[in-house]
Amino acid sequence: DGGITQSPKYLFRKEGQNVTLSCEQNLNHDAMYWYRQDPGQGLRLIYYSQIVNDFQKGDIAEGYSVSREKKESFPLTVTSAQKNPTAFYLCASTTGTGESDTQYFGPGTRLTVL
Amino acid sequence: KQEVTQIPAALSVPEGENLVLNCSFTDSAIYNLQWFRQDPGKGLTSLLLIQSSQREQTSGRLNASLDKSSGRSTLYIAASQPGDSATYLCAVRGSWGKFQFGAGTQVVVTP
Repeated sequence: DGGITQSPKYLFRKEGQNVTLSCEQNLNHDAMYWYRQDPGQGLRLIYYSQIVNDFQKGDIAEGYSVSREKKESFPLTVTSAQKNPTAFYLCASTTGTGESDTQYFGPGTRLTVL
Repeated sequence: KQEVTQIPAALSVPEGENLVLNCSFTDSAIYNLQWFRQDPGKGLTSLLLIQSSQREQTSGRLNASLDKSSGRSTLYIAASQPGDSATYLCAVRGSWGKFQFGAGTQVVVTP
């Protein structure tokens, strides 16, 4: 089955720790995205990548970092510089083809700061 | 900067009634608009995608319209069922492959 997997489903972070969220897709999509969702708010873009070895900052990139070494994988690291990381994190991918560009989402990772 | 608004934020209807969900956007230079459903604690599931050159899309009980000139899209769900209870989000695709989301409408369908 084609799709997007995210792991872990739940993640707990202590103050001062860096944590990495995994996102893998087998849809053969070129573009991948990371979003943050807070209660009652829409999704906010953290980083996106339209091609391997290239990525761009979204609207709220401070305190986060990413890499795109393989087409299938787009891990997100939440660093200690992110002061309020408790949120629901969603990974998505698209074909990147203009008008028919359709987003597909993973199941999400809920991160909680202890 | 593109802004996407969904009104109302929450909606409760009795089973069998038709649902009308609204999405408005400020910049009409979009590639497409996509409607999603999100269940609590889950990822987003795509419902319909309307390309910028299209006026509407239909899938089963769902129908979505797009009016770029007025910056509006409407999602209609006919004959609502309790299983339709969820949060519905819209997103527009702009240039550079970026998407802008609304905050969503939380729908409760009561038996």
